[in-house]
Amino acid sequence: DGGITQSPKYLFRKEGQNVTLSCEQNLNHDAMYWYRQDPGQGLRLIYYSQIVNDFQKGDIAEGYSVSREKKESFPLTVTSAQKNPTAFYLCASSIDGRFGLADYEQYFGPGTRLTVT
Amino acid sequence: GQQLNQSPQSMFIQEGEDVSMNCTSSSIFNTWLWYKQDPGEGPVLLIALYKAGELTSNGRLTAQFGITRKDSFLNISASIPSDVGIYFCAGQLVYAGGTSYGKLTFGQGTILTVHP
Repeated sequence: DGGITQSPKYLFRKEGQNVTLSCEQNLNHDAMYWYRQDPGQGLRLIYYSQIVNDFQKGDIAEGYSVSREKKESFPLTVTSAQKNPTAFYLCASSIDGRFGLADYEQYFGPGTRLTVT
Repeated sequence: GQQLNQSPQSMFIQEGEDVSMNCTSSSIFNTWLWYKQDPGEGPVLLIALYKAGELTSNGRLTAQFGITRKDSFLNISASIPSDVGIYFCAGQLVYAGGTSYGKLTFGQGTILTVHP
């Protein structure tokens, strides 16, 4: 079955610790994205990557870091510099945002709920 | 900042009623997408629209890409309890200097509650 997996579903960390959220896709998609969702709000883009070894900051990148060493993997690290890290984190992928309108169809993983205390 | 206005913010309806929600913007969009999110899960793509004026259906769902390219609406006919969730619109924004490749702008969501 093709899809996007995020693990774990729930994650708990102490304040001051870095934590890495996993995102893997077997859809052969080139582009991958990380979003943050807070209660009652829409999705805000943290980072995105259109190709391996390249990524760009989204609207709220401060306190986060990413890597894209493999096409199928796009891990997100929430660093201790992120002032309010407790949120629901969503990973998504799409074919590629550069070559056709259908490439804007993003498919989402099940999400990871991070709680930092 | 947020460039899509989605309304209503929430809806409480009886099973069997029709539902209508919309997204508007002062900016032009090339693509409109509609997603549904169940509690604690990731959004699922419902309908994608690519041309101004386009009307597309997916079962009981119908969505339209506005002629001005600044709005879109989603209708759900004969609602059922499993329609409960948050519905998001999303669009690919056209910037003055080109396009925002791959990036989507999301509305803040419409929370739908269906009473049996």
